[in-house]
Amino acid sequence: QVHLQQSGPGLVKPSQTLSLTCVISGDSVSSNTFAWNWIRQSPSRGLEWLGRTYYRSKWYNEYALSLKSRITINPDTSKNQFSLQLNSVTPEDTAVYYCARDRGAGNDYWGQGTLVTVSS
Amino acid sequence: QSALTQPASVSGSPGQSITISCTGTSSDIGAYNYVSWYQHHPGKVPKLMIYMVSNRPSGVSNRFSGSKSGNTASLTISGLQAEDEADYYCSSYTGSSTVVFGGGTKLTVL
Repeated sequence: QVHLQQSGPGLVKPSQTLSLTCVISGDSVSSNTFAWNWIRQSPSRGLEWLGRTYYRSKWYNEYALSLKSRITINPDTSKNQFSLQLNSVTPEDTAVYYCARDRGAGNDYWGQGTLVTVSS
Repeated sequence: QSALTQPASVSGSPGQSITISCTGTSSDIGAYNYVSWYQHHPGKVPKLMIYMVSNRPSGVSNRFSGSKSGNTASLTISGLQAEDEADYYCSSYTGSSTVVFGGGTKLTVL
């Protein structure tokens, strides 16, 4: 059974960096079949895809165009996890952040969600 | 990339059928069969209901079905039940190697 466990702070100050980690059990971040997504949800924006990392003989990272200048997603094969870093956050980045496994046109396993509030 | 367009709300009575539309462009829904649908009860984790336009994951009721025509995808729920009341989101792969979600549709079971 696949399980995704998220960790990271729930409060980040404006202009600082949001950092979250998603530990994978029951699968591998290096899977040649799946991709690993970060998605967020807020009342004003609904669900928003942030980006993903996946391995197909080499590593690929793809990001939402609106966030491309501020976001980094990195796999860590030694710990079987992947991370999200979002720089220069503002209150508009306040949301529930999820990691998820993408089976190909569909996220079938999700982390528990982390409410991140951007506030001083 | 612009969000896919969904109606803000739909409603139906128990036992009835409803359809939620999701309109994109020739660069996303119209170009790929990578459309998925999610059910989201507030405070819970989103649940995958349909993937690749019309496929149901194991465990999802066959009351849920998906289809696509041109740039518009649709989710149909038949035999509405009170537990179906939730927010529903569509999603599609795009030509920019990105993924886009719809704005979400609130389903009310009357």
